[in-house]
Amino acid sequence: ILNVEQSPQSLHVQEGDSTNFTCSFPSSNFYALHWYRWETAKSPEALFVMTLNGDEKKKGRISATLNTKEGYSYLYIKGSQPEDSATYLCALTDSWGKFQFGAGTQVVVTP
Amino acid sequence: DAGVIQSPRHEVTEMGQEVTLRCKPISGHDYLFWYRQTMMRGLELLIYFNNNVPIDDSGMPEDRFSAKMPNASFSTLKIQPSEPRDSAVYFCASTSTGLGTEAFFGQGTRLTVV
Repeated sequence: ILNVEQSPQSLHVQEGDSTNFTCSFPSSNFYALHWYRWETAKSPEALFVMTLNGDEKKKGRISATLNTKEGYSYLYIKGSQPEDSATYLCALTDSWGKFQFGAGTQVVVTP
Repeated sequence: DAGVIQSPRHEVTEMGQEVTLRCKPISGHDYLFWYRQTMMRGLELLIYFNNNVPIDDSGMPEDRFSAKMPNASFSTLKIQPSEPRDSAVYFCASTSTGLGTEAFFGQGTRLTVV
């Protein structure tokens, strides 16, 4: 079992503010880490896939970093907008190809 | 490709009835996952297949749940008999072998057991 933990469980952000949150995972047997964005009434949508220690990915105002040695990844949202409101899921892939998702961080951006 | 296709989108059934959820993965993908989403537990992995073979079904909550993948293009998740606590959104996802390949999700089936 891959223990993928995300924190905080939820956060409220004022429009225009930047924020970040964490995904923690066991550093052993790491293969790949994924971030997904999940809006209400929709299916999860892939944001990033990272495989190497030190990887950094960026998509618009959203970026992510990966530290496989210490077992964590950060997701950053710069200048939050109401459309960024969603649940952000982190998932770890093991050597069998299994996706283990964390419980998610629910982000609410208020105008 | 039309993506991962799930049916039905919504299902309302009475307690005790059998429910079958269906999934068509993306062509060429060799992994298929069934997830259940609830407010209490978030997104839970129920079972996943590789090349049509069940690899890990430890997330299947009870014997009332069963899943099959008779071929590479079709999978079913069956609940028999259904109970109100089975009410949730059930997602199917598929991906292909290889590091860094993302999983693609279907639109989900919202199941309500009354």
